Amino acid sequence: KAGVTQTPRYLIKTRGQQVTLSCSPISGHRSVSWYQQTPGQGLQFLFEYFSETQRNKGNFPGRFSGRQFSNSRSEMNVSTLELGDSALYLCASSWASGSGEQYFGPGTRLTVT
Amino acid sequence: DQQVKQNSPSLSVQEGRISILNCDYTNSMFDYFLWYKKYPAEGPTFLISISSIKDKNEDGRFTVFLNKSAKHLSLHIVPSQPGDSAVYFCAASARRGSSNTGKLIFGQGTTLQVKP
Repeated sequence: KAGVTQTPRYLIKTRGQQVTLSCSPISGHRSVSWYQQTPGQGLQFLFEYFSETQRNKGNFPGRFSGRQFSNSRSEMNVSTLELGDSALYLCASSWASGSGEQYFGPGTRLTVT
Repeated sequence: DQQVKQNSPSLSVQEGRISILNCDYTNSMFDYFLWYKKYPAEGPTFLISISSIKDKNEDGRFTVFLNKSAKHLSLHIVPSQPGDSAVYFCAASARRGSSNTGKLIFGQGTTLQVKP
């Protein structure tokens, strides 16, 4: 089975712009969660989608949003980028919401200048 | 409020010896615990997990121990190999809690170095 894929792998944006990141889960997995990793805050939960519905949301501002499509693929969007949004954004999939193990993609490295 | 803590930022062991990585948690609602291994510029790789109904789970060289009364878990790697050198994260989830479904809370990570 192919693993979780994320595109793009690297991205450089300017402050104030918006960005969309994409995630394709493992085939058969219906839950997708997003995490942000920074040196200072570590790995932090952004949100989880299951059956095209947001099931849970972390403590991030409304500039961070996401969605899930009927084929379980997911996108996250960050609007009005700030320098502090520079991070590794990780997507993880599992076969169902709350099923336990989550399998991570390689991440998208976002740099905001 | 850090609900999952890995108090040792780094650990160095000799090849062939045992590596013990520790993790403490504060939220008694956590009922599932996981260990991940991460290399730089890659996503975390799932290693092993344990449900709160168990106190031990083994998978090859990896064993996870859970002490619910102490809110403590540990990962044992025996024997350690140079390829095990990476950052190890413990994570916890409250699968039964409706507000926490699908949410993993991670520790800050421990960098393991296995010397040949």
